[in-house]
Amino acid sequence: GAVVSQHPSRVICKSGTSVKIECRSLDFQATTMFWYRQFPKQSLMLMATSNEGSKATYEQGVEKDKFLINHASLTLSTLTVTSAHPEDSSFYICSARDHRGSSYEQYFGPGTRLTVT
Amino acid sequence: AQSVTQPDIHITVSEGASLELRCNYSYGATPYLFWYVQSPGQGLQLLLKYFSGDTLVQGIKGFEAEFKRSQSSFNLRKPSVHWSDAAEYFCAVGLNQAGTALIFGKGTTLSVSS
Repeated sequence: GAVVSQHPSRVICKSGTSVKIECRSLDFQATTMFWYRQFPKQSLMLMATSNEGSKATYEQGVEKDKFLINHASLTLSTLTVTSAHPEDSSFYICSARDHRGSSYEQYFGPGTRLTVT
Repeated sequence: AQSVTQPDIHITVSEGASLELRCNYSYGATPYLFWYVQSPGQGLQLLLKYFSGDTLVQGIKGFEAEFKRSQSSFNLRKPSVHWSDAAEYFCAVGLNQAGTALIFGKGTTLSVSS
């Protein structure tokens, strides 16, 4: 089946620094990838939709200058949290939409736990 | 706007007992429907999905779900729960539009008592 990886799985950074999270589709091409954020014991909230070769579409309330998304290839999207603060600490999950065939199924990465100290 | 409701925040079931987790959605047409399970600190694992056809869907780990259009529901069931089933369960809706993300319910925490 389709596999999506995320790197790193866990990262700790100091307040004010930036951190990059990678999301890769390993065995399929994904023209669209999604970035979600999950707070402890809460649901997944969509942050942005990443389209290969174009600008990401951000959900209302998500700062595009703080959460930079780059989808440079059909298998890689990156999320960069710039000038991170403790309130950015969260679990970030990406998903990639497989456009093969007629089903628009999404495959989720294992998530990245970000802790900002 | 499209939405997904999971009415039960937390459910406790005895090991070996049956389980039903409720999910209702709001959408004008028939959506794609999913159930995911998440263990603490882990990513999402797809249990089952419904796109079309037979409204009773079989999934992994002995789970099944039934799509009821008249009730806008997609409830998850398992006849006999195992202690390893304790986790967070999310119902999600996918719209029939390319490039759109899933909409998740708030989740139901399942605890299994011995």
